[in-house]
Amino acid sequence: DTGVSQNPRHKITKRGQNVTFRCDPISEHNRLYWYRQTLGQGPEFLTYFQNEAQLEKSRLLSDRFSAERPKGSFSTLEIQRTEQGDSAMYLCASSLMRDQETQYFGPGTRLLVL
Amino acid sequence: AQSVTQLGSHVSVSEGALVLLRCNYSSSVPPYLFWYVQYPNQGLQLLLKYTSAATLVKGINGFEAEFKKSETSFHLTKPSAHMSDAAEYFCAVPYNNDMRFGAGTRLTVKP
Repeated sequence: DTGVSQNPRHKITKRGQNVTFRCDPISEHNRLYWYRQTLGQGPEFLTYFQNEAQLEKSRLLSDRFSAERPKGSFSTLEIQRTEQGDSAMYLCASSLMRDQETQYFGPGTRLLVL
Repeated sequence: AQSVTQLGSHVSVSEGALVLLRCNYSSSVPPYLFWYVQYPNQGLQLLLKYTSAATLVKGINGFEAEFKKSETSFHLTKPSAHMSDAAEYFCAVPYNNDMRFGAGTRLTVKP
């Protein structure tokens, strides 16, 4: 399977703990996106990378959130000092530069903060 | 800012019946529009993509969507619903460097 993969698929943590999620995009895709989806809503954009450069961040991405994409391959999204409001599905997507509008999504990581 | 609105958060049809899920876009004519499907506890799967090359777009699983400029719409249809079509469906439009999604429509298929 050469689709977008995400790990872990589920994460339960206690408020105040740090969590890190990983996304492996489709191998030849140089753009990588992070979205957050809460229950009953569509995904909301958080940030995106072109290769290793983080080019845009949404206002939803508070200073407790940080994302990296070293070497332009996989990406990590870290949430520090988690809050109950961070509970959501975190989705990763990737796209080709020449077809950047078409994004392919991973299965997501569902986070529950107790 | 470009956005999409999905009318109807829940749609219920009988197996074999026509499926119609509504999506309207705002403001100017977008160069691209998408429909995605999300099964429970899964990510989003691309159903189909409009690129202005054709107003009627065929996608996977027997779905299609028609772009109507006069109605600012991009409704998703399937002639005959199957139980496996039960899922959440999202209409989306690219904006700047990200994708703007509608709130989604949950499709229920009754036997």
